[in-house]
Amino acid sequence: QVQLVESGGGVVQPGTSLRLSCAASGFTFSSYAMHWVRQAPGKGLEWVAVISYHGSYTYYGDSVKGRFTISRDNSKNTLYLQMNSLGVEDTAVYFCAKDGVIPTVTNLLGYFFDSWGQGTLVTVSS
Amino acid sequence: EIVLTQSPATLSLSPGERATLSCRASQSIDSYLAWYQHKPGQAPRLLIYGASNRATGIPARFSGSGSGTDFTLTISSLEPEDFGVYYCQKRSSWPPLFTFGPGTKVDIK
Repeated sequence: QVQLVESGGGVVQPGTSLRLSCAASGFTFSSYAMHWVRQAPGKGLEWVAVISYHGSYTYYGDSVKGRFTISRDNSKNTLYLQMNSLGVEDTAVYFCAKDGVIPTVTNLLGYFFDSWGQGTLVTVSS
Repeated sequence: EIVLTQSPATLSLSPGERATLSCRASQSIDSYLAWYQHKPGQAPRLLIYGASNRATGIPARFSGSGSGTDFTLTISSLEPEDFGVYYCQKRSSWPPLFTFGPGTKVDIK
């Protein structure tokens, strides 16, 4: 079955960087777009970023645009999130999620997430 | 920007009762809406996609309906394990940005 395992979270100071990883198994990783979604303490779910199956297209939520970079290595079945200029507002559990739709020529991205990891906690604090 | 609102914010019901959760979009989103269940410390779980399609392995007591701007998630007969927060979610057409509603917390009495 699909398995997504996030890693790389921890406690960091404001202004620093951190890279998260998500190891995928149980499906053909290179065939699906992948997402990062986060949940700040006591808050709801917030979509962070998406990357197309081949990595050529990336899109970001407004709150992270210009600071975060999503990438993937299909040879390693791994998704990444490089987070720079971290602020206290980035404190959250970060989930990776698999796109629910097989991409087509005319539609590279789906509209929902059909599998999720357990998440990794990022705490930004001085 | 299309905004999703969910009501009620909290729902407290007893096992066996029917739960009706609402999600409203500020503009029409056709049927491109999904529902998720999220329990503390766990991965969110996809329940419904395309407004009314149950995801793999989701019990038949969960059903979704609606199109355009008004959507409903119904749990026909609550089980104790159905507690959690339920989110609706949609995608904008272009650029492809994804948005969650604020969630409805379901408490089991």
